[in-house]
Amino acid sequence: QPALTQSASVSGSPGQSITISCTGTSSDIGGYNYVSWFQQHPGKAPKLMIYDVYERPSGVSDRFSGSKSGITASLTISGLQAEDEADYYCCSYAGSSTLVFGGGTRLTVL
Amino acid sequence: QVQLVQSGAEVKNPGASVKVSCEASGYTFTNYAMHWVRQAPGQRLEWMGLINTGNGRTKYSQRFQGRVSITRDTSASTGYMELSSLGSEDTAVYYCAREFRVIPNFDYWGQGTLVTVSS
Repeated sequence: QPALTQSASVSGSPGQSITISCTGTSSDIGGYNYVSWFQQHPGKAPKLMIYDVYERPSGVSDRFSGSKSGITASLTISGLQAEDEADYYCCSYAGSSTLVFGGGTRLTVL
Repeated sequence: QVQLVQSGAEVKNPGASVKVSCEASGYTFTNYAMHWVRQAPGQRLEWMGLINTGNGRTKYSQRFQGRVSITRDTSASTGYMELSSLGSEDTAVYYCAREFRVIPNFDYWGQGTLVTVSS
């Protein structure tokens, strides 16, 4: 299962908004509304930020939002803060109890 | 509170096997599937497989089929991931994660176990 496609890096200044895209196929993102986004700081385990395309777990800031159109899912972070600097991974259900991760996007807060 | 605590770092020779454990606490172990995900140095997250902790059924990524075995001990609330025929490309941090309701909602993760394959 090839990885979902994410841009390698994105950057923004504090207070700005950024969007990270994640492109798959009709067999994963396009076929199911089960897309999650994870934040990973260096040397740490990933943290669930968005699930079921746009749902936020308890405790996750409402500055984080998710959406999907066709075979592309997106994560938007508004009001960028220094602590948002991290790697972000999308992940989609791919049928038959399998899943696939994206290649990861490094967010730099300038 | 929910915790997943993994076993310590391992160093293995090429061709050997490694078994990593993940002890769960703070919830009913058999109510949530457990997944295993690895991350080679500087690389992306890679899904390896899962176990239905209730009935023991497993599903593996095709990439690791035949080389990985995921098991669980319900009496110890512990999941295990064993990877055989190790090569240098298997050097990575291995994570266990709890599935919340459906794939791929992983709401809790272990701290990670570094496996180094080197002669």
